[in-house]
Amino acid sequence: EVQLVESGGGLVQPGWSLSLSCAASGFTFDNYAIHWVRQAPGKGLEWVSGISWSSGTIGYADSVKGRFTISRDNAKNSLYLQMNSLRVEDTALYYCAKTYDSGRWGGMDVWGQGTTVTVSS
Amino acid sequence: EIVLTQSPGTLSLSPGERATLSCRASQSVSSSYLAWYQQKTGQAPRLLIYDASSRATGIPDRFSGSGSGTDFTLTISRLEPEDFAVYYCQQYGSSPITFGQGTRLEIK
Repeated sequence: EVQLVESGGGLVQPGWSLSLSCAASGFTFDNYAIHWVRQAPGKGLEWVSGISWSSGTIGYADSVKGRFTISRDNAKNSLYLQMNSLRVEDTALYYCAKTYDSGRWGGMDVWGQGTTVTVSS
Repeated sequence: EIVLTQSPGTLSLSPGERATLSCRASQSVSSSYLAWYQQKTGQAPRLLIYDASSRATGIPDRFSGSGSGTDFTLTISRLEPEDFAVYYCQQYGSSPITFGQGTRLEIK
């Protein structure tokens, strides 16, 4: 079964750091770009960051650029998101998602269940 | 950044009716790299359409996508009870990837 499982969410204070992980199984992980997408409570979807299969292409939303760092370990079938200088507005459910085609940057056909990040004092 | 504007914000229809959802881009979407997603409450998004008009694996043929350039449409030919949800468009032809704000499809 193709699966993505996120972990690492939690409650932190503004300015703190948090590291998210996404474990993949059931597909050839190093063939696909993988992304982080978040959804604030009651709001729509927001793309956060993405990384190509080789880590050669990386992108960030302006809202997180300079604070978040995406990385992957293909040997461990894992994706990561290091989040520094967290703000209240980073509070959201964070999903990892894979692209539907190895040659595409977007169009995500498999999503995890999400991990919740809450930033509050 | 490409801004995607979806309309209407809410669409009220009955089962069996046809639904037409619109997604307009602030600039041309490269190579029609546009996707549509369905999201139900408490669930992750589900890919319906990619590359503007290709149905994802397992998606019923009552769902269809069309359009190019700046104007895209998701059509659901005959609504089933399970189709009532929120729908998002997404462009992935230019960085950053962006989503529309969503259209809520509700039962009339």
